[in-house]
Amino acid sequence: RKEVEQDPGPFNVPEGATVAFNCTYSNSASQSFFWYRQDCRKEPKLLMSVYSSGNEDGRFTAQLNRASQYISLLIRDSKLSDSATYLCVVRRANSGYALNFGKGTSLLVTP
Amino acid sequence: DVKVTQSSRYLVKRTGEKVFLECVQDMDHENMFWYRQDPGLGLRLIYFSYDVKMKEKGDIPEGYSVSREKKERFSLILESASTNQTSMYLCASSLPGTETYGYTFGSGTRLTVV
Repeated sequence: RKEVEQDPGPFNVPEGATVAFNCTYSNSASQSFFWYRQDCRKEPKLLMSVYSSGNEDGRFTAQLNRASQYISLLIRDSKLSDSATYLCVVRRANSGYALNFGKGTSLLVTP
Repeated sequence: DVKVTQSSRYLVKRTGEKVFLECVQDMDHENMFWYRQDPGLGLRLIYFSYDVKMKEKGDIPEGYSVSREKKERFSLILESASTNQTSMYLCASSLPGTETYGYTFGSGTRLTVV
């Protein structure tokens, strides 16, 4: 089983739609979780951290289910500018601060 | 804002050359990392460092080495470049104890080995 698994997509949604991405991770001892966004031919940038109680940042909501080792990202009222690849990221349990990245889920928001 | 600077945006090298990829961060971060990113494979960790003169192997260290002589600089070295090292190389840094903040990445070096 891969460390971090995501549905690669692509997800094609119209503007204004709600879209959800899912991710699973294999190491139950993992402690920190993130969603990164990567635009085409650019570096990944931190979108949001994911907390145990779930957290929201504007149109974005992240959820963590430790029992199922499952992370989700919900984007409401999609904008054209949300088109990007979304990377699910989990801090390694046994090597300090190194992070494991999922391969990413591609989102295209269309007019 | 933390800035992570990678010395070259695009680089073309010949097979067998020794290649140096430089990364500098300006926020006194202890942790620095080198990843490569390839289509269909995602980001893979090559090497990382938690302190000056300290290094740890990541998942794919073969064919690479690193140097961290100063806290702000973390260099990735391809001892003898091969075509399968053609990739996007990303450097990142972070502060220990700032788990909620993840990494800051440099803008990447797209290396082509011919």
